[in-house]
Amino acid sequence: IQLTQSPSSLSASVGDRVTVTCRANPGISNSLAWYQQEPGKAPKLLIFAASTLQSGVPSRFSGSGSGTDFTLTISSLQPEDFATYYCQQLDSYPPTFGPGTKVDV
Amino acid sequence: QVQLQESGPGLVKPSETLSLTCSVSGGSMSGGGHHWTWIRQPAGKGLEWIGRLYGSGNAVYSPSLKRRVTMSVDTSKRQFSLEVRSVTAADTAVYYCGRERGYSGYEVDFWGQGTLVTVSS
Repeated sequence: IQLTQSPSSLSASVGDRVTVTCRANPGISNSLAWYQQEPGKAPKLLIFAASTLQSGVPSRFSGSGSGTDFTLTISSLQPEDFATYYCQQLDSYPPTFGPGTKVDV
Repeated sequence: QVQLQESGPGLVKPSETLSLTCSVSGGSMSGGGHHWTWIRQPAGKGLEWIGRLYGSGNAVYSPSLKRRVTMSVDTSKRQFSLEVRSVTAADTAVYYCGRERGYSGYEVDFWGQGTLVTVSS
């Protein structure tokens, strides 16, 4: 299953509302996860089942979508949110990741 | 709290075998609906799923790597391992071990810190 993410990068400021899109071809129901990766660190699970917030993740992160189109939204960007975000489809073998969206200042 | 730590050589010669071990602390190694995984990331690039290891010892691998990869688990040592045979420069990457939630959607909820493996003579 092919995943595309848009944009590939974006520039934003603290306090901005940020939206990242992930598109799956073919559709994957709601079998999608979102991860955040800071430079030099392992990815961190943010969202699973397309819209369920992982325990301990701030509520400013939210996910939505099903089928082919998914979004990750950060309602008010914080300094620690500048990172790269990846979606992952878990509907079909093998699991695959999107190419990533880098959020910087 | 589950913690994972990768270990193994940081440099491997072309055509040889890359071997890594992931040590798990906290949580259960078998049962509980969790599985174990290896994921890699070449420098500056995206994430590539390598395979999944079930607590039973059975494994599934990425089609692109399955001819060269073996994963195994030793629950008594609380470790699982990865072997990649006949490596080339294309196998140079940071390798992460992780735990997948099999009772959910197989998302990776815990990750090791990653270990860089360079393939070079």
